[in-house]
Amino acid sequence: KNQVEQSPQSLIILEGKNCTLQCNYTVSPFSNLRWYKQDTGRGPVSLTIMTFSENTKSNGRYTATLDADTKQSSLHITASQLSDSASYICVVHPQAGTALIFGKGTTLSVSS
Amino acid sequence: NAGVMQNPRHLVRRRGQEARLRCSPMKGHSHVYWYRQLPEEGLKFMVYLQKENIIDESGMPKERFSAEFPKEGPSILRIQQVVRGDSAAYFCASSPGGGPSYEQYFGPGTRLTVT
Repeated sequence: KNQVEQSPQSLIILEGKNCTLQCNYTVSPFSNLRWYKQDTGRGPVSLTIMTFSENTKSNGRYTATLDADTKQSSLHITASQLSDSASYICVVHPQAGTALIFGKGTTLSVSS
Repeated sequence: NAGVMQNPRHLVRRRGQEARLRCSPMKGHSHVYWYRQLPEEGLKFMVYLQKENIIDESGMPKERFSAEFPKEGPSILRIQQVVRGDSAAYFCASSPGGGPSYEQYFGPGTRLTVT
């Protein structure tokens, strides 16, 4: 069964600190892996998209990594800001079909 | 260029009533996807449509749910005879193309509450 598991479920960090969120997936083969940010009450917004052949992708303070051998991805956030408080969702696009497969997300809270 | 628009943002229905959710894609986008997010769950794919065609409805419940994307106007997700278990956030996304390389842009969602 195609699954996407994320950890931790929630995380609290101080403003200015770095953090890393984890994603393990069983979807295979896949076309790409995406990270989205979802603010409370809003729709998800794309942060990064990586194909299976890419190892890393950056978008400002967000850096995603992908290890296709171990089927793991991570999202690293540097110098966190209060506005980073949100749910971060790992999403895999299988090679077959059109349905994206979403993880449940990691809820990040950044406090001052 | 306005983003994906969904309305209403909040919808309350009694059990047995019908719910109609609307999605206007971004300008120039002809591909629309509907997702459902149950409380404490991740988003789940429901249906993928192009103008006047349903391409993939593998995530749609077999009964009471239907979707359309007419030549003119927004895409509509229709839920007949709603039950409490239909309470969820429904998100629509649009893209300029249908392949995996295309970005999907999400709307703000419609929160359906069934009482």
